[in-house]
Amino acid sequence: QVQLQESGPGLVKPSETLSLTCTVSGGSINSGDYYWTWIRQPPGKGLEWIGYIYYSGSTYYNPSLKSRVTISLDTSKNQFSLELTSVTAADTAVYYCVREKLGFSRFFDLWGRGTLVTVSS
Amino acid sequence: AIQLTQSPSSLSASVGDRVTITCRASQGINKNLAWYQQKPGKPPNLLIYDASILQSGVPSRFSGSGSGTDFTLTISSLQPADCAVYYCQQFDIYPLTFGGGTKVEI
Repeated sequence: QVQLQESGPGLVKPSETLSLTCTVSGGSINSGDYYWTWIRQPPGKGLEWIGYIYYSGSTYYNPSLKSRVTISLDTSKNQFSLELTSVTAADTAVYYCVREKLGFSRFFDLWGRGTLVTVSS
Repeated sequence: AIQLTQSPSSLSASVGDRVTITCRASQGINKNLAWYQQKPGKPPNLLIYDASILQSGVPSRFSGSGSGTDFTLTISSLQPADCAVYYCQQFDIYPLTFGGGTKVEI
């Protein structure tokens, strides 16, 4: 059974870079059937799509975050990662790594448990 | 970006009630809409995709309908386990977007 697990620091200082990794277990990240995605949720608020990476390395980012976001892939470790630069308190959120199923029907079919990242000095 | 407006933002109903949540898109998205249920401290869980197709394992009291700009999620007989926040989400155009959520209470 495929599982996703986020890892990374739970506390980041303002103006620094948030870095998270998602480990895919029980299946290969090297599949053309999915986009590997990051979504975040500020405490008590709604969901925001950050962006995705495809197994080929192609990416697409939310224009609202595009200047600060990089999503990368490490197929040898079956992982994908998120970097968000110049963070502020507004970036405090639970960050989820998520699998988007591609094809005629598309949806987010697998979510990690999420990891809370707090931006504070 | 496509905006999704959910209503109501919260509702309270009794066990056994029929509950309807609406989601309106700022432009037509065909049937490229999914619904998710989120309980406290958990990630969202897929209920419906392609506007009306029930995800495997989801109770049949959940149903979805609509196309274009107007969509609904219906719970035919509300159960205590259905207390959660419900989100609609569009897959028609990137960036993908979510509705603001509807909190359902008993």
